[in-house]
Amino acid sequence: AQKVTQAQTEISVVEKEDVTLDCVYETRDTTYYLFWYKQPPSGELVFLIRRNSFDEQNEISGRYSWNFQKSTSSFNFTITASQVVDSAVYFCALSEWSQKLVFGQGTRLTINP
Amino acid sequence: DAGVTQSPTHLIKTRGQHVTLRCSPISGHKSVSWYQQVLGQGPQFIFQYYEKEERGRGNFPDRFSARQFPNYSSELNVNALLLGDSALYLCASSLLATGGAETQYFGPGTRLLVL
Repeated sequence: AQKVTQAQTEISVVEKEDVTLDCVYETRDTTYYLFWYKQPPSGELVFLIRRNSFDEQNEISGRYSWNFQKSTSSFNFTITASQVVDSAVYFCALSEWSQKLVFGQGTRLTINP
Repeated sequence: DAGVTQSPTHLIKTRGQHVTLRCSPISGHKSVSWYQQVLGQGPQFIFQYYEKEERGRGNFPDRFSARQFPNYSSELNVNALLLGDSALYLCASSLLATGGAETQYFGPGTRLLVL
């Protein structure tokens, strides 16, 4: 069965600190896809990244970076030099052969000035 | 280009009533999915439609139904509303329906409150 666990319910840091959001997943498939979405207070889920199970290369996009490790079934997300605008709820999600996305519970990130 | 649009943005209903939520996908996208997000939780998959056919259904009662129109827009219908149906309903669209590789883009959602 598919499952995504985001153990950190809430994180609060001061602006300019680095912060890592953890994501652990469970799946029986060898082919699967992992996603991160950002949900600001407005409610809309904003797509950040998609990775497939065959590509373990880490990715960096500006201040954002993602670390995918199949050995530990983790897909962690790091924000470097955080900014107040990064405050939001962040969701990790998993899909297998179908398009059904299975989401974690989300991590509420608060960046304090 | 416009993103996924949903209407209405907010809705208040009473128990037992029926509700229809609407979604227009990104231009060119043929697949639409619906999710329910209860306060404090992650979204839960309800339905996926592609080319007017149901491609997937989550663990929701038969009170929930949906359809997709020739222009790829979609409606989600919920009958006999319960208090527990109060949630943010999110619509997502993707280009095709080729499985998990498709990135889904979400709309702003419809906030439903059942009293």
